[in-house]
Amino acid sequence: SYDLTQPPSVSVSPGQTASISCSGDKLGEKYASWYQLKPGQSPVLVIYQDNKRPSEIPERFSGSNSGNTATLTISGTQAMDEADYYCQAWDSTTPAYVFGTGTKVTVL
Amino acid sequence: QVQLQESGPGLVKPSETLSLTCTVSTGSISTYYWSWIRQPPGKGLEWIGYIDYSRNTNYNPSLKGRVTISVDTSRNQFSLKLTSATAADTAVYYCARQLYSTSSGFLDYWGQGTLVTVSS
Repeated sequence: SYDLTQPPSVSVSPGQTASISCSGDKLGEKYASWYQLKPGQSPVLVIYQDNKRPSEIPERFSGSNSGNTATLTISGTQAMDEADYYCQAWDSTTPAYVFGTGTKVTVL
Repeated sequence: QVQLQESGPGLVKPSETLSLTCTVSTGSISTYYWSWIRQPPGKGLEWIGYIDYSRNTNYNPSLKGRVTISVDTSRNQFSLKLTSATAADTAVYYCARQLYSTSSGFLDYWGQGTLVTVSS
């Protein structure tokens, strides 16, 4: 099976930059998407097809994908960005969508 | 703004069928792709499958033929059935709209999720 590995947690101070990695074999050859999950709320798409941002998502969210790693970057992190974040890609071998292990972002 | 809402029993007995419905409130369900995803308590997200506008389906092989996703265009709803439920199927179940299929696909609108517990 295809695995996407994320760090369990990332801590960041308000106004600083948070970077969340998502690692998988040849992930750079696939499209990566990122989702934000907060308790009791609908999950939100923050990045799709590696680096595209939905119109309602703030510009401080950006994405990249190369080699074996996709990265979600939150610049100027705000308290409202505290959430769990998951990456996602399509595994053509299985075939199935695969989600990463998830990262809890804490804004201290 | 597309809105999706999951509905169905919150408690299912082991070996029975878990059934959920997702109502799409804005726009026609006869376009796009429509997905189900779940999250067991304390664990990560798992993709279950999707159905497209032509009623073609694509399921996660890990669910080993227990899954059926269908669509009712007259009610703007799509549904999930998972047979032979076990405690391992206890999870928050989400429905979502999917743009594009397979390698280009992503989930742009999600429901709030509904907790289904499998227990006697």
